Amino acid sequence: AQSVAQPEDQVNVAEGNPLTVKCTYSVSGNPYLFWYVQYPNRGLQFLLKYITGDNLVKGSYGFEAEFNKSQTSFHLKKPSALVSDSALYFCALNYGGSQGNLIFGKGTKLSVKP
Amino acid sequence: GAGVSQTPSNKVTEKGKYVELRCDPISGHTALYWYRQSLGQGPEFLIYFQGTGAADDSGLPNDRFFAVRPEGSVSTLKIQRTERGDSAVYLCASARGGFTGELFFGEGSRLTVL
Repeated sequence: AQSVAQPEDQVNVAEGNPLTVKCTYSVSGNPYLFWYVQYPNRGLQFLLKYITGDNLVKGSYGFEAEFNKSQTSFHLKKPSALVSDSALYFCALNYGGSQGNLIFGKGTKLSVKP
Repeated sequence: GAGVSQTPSNKVTEKGKYVELRCDPISGHTALYWYRQSLGQGPEFLIYFQGTGAADDSGLPNDRFFAVRPEGSVSTLKIQRTERGDSAVYLCASARGGFTGELFFGEGSRLTVL
């Protein structure tokens, strides 16, 4: 069965430090992987995706993620965190490019302190 | 340009009542998705429309849940004989035709069943 795991419920980072939000996946075919962010009282917003090609993908707001097939991971990273990055982050999976749904992880709350 | 609009933003109802939740997608988006998000969880897929037809309804939990999109634009999620366990935030998302995984989400309709 296809699944996504976000092992950390919360990540705390000081402003200016690098941040990593972890995601691992399980899928039988080729995964399509995504990161979404949810700010308070706002809808989910697309950040970035991996479909094929370079393992390092760059997205909105300076975020990037690295696809690692051997470790079945797709961790979200940013070199220098901002207080405004504080939000709920969701990793999501689509298997084989099926037109339907994304499978979301439980989410990781990122808290960036000044 | 307007984003995805969902109404009502909040709905409180009593167990056993019928509820309708409306989604107005971004103009020109042919794909429309309904998800359900419970507290502390990631969004859970319910149903996906491509145009007027339900391309994938495998996420609907039981026959009390039904969704329509008669003209390929606005969609209504209908819940009969509501139960307390139906309490959640119901999210609607739309996307351009063809799979990209880049969904545009509304802010959701929070349903509370007393």
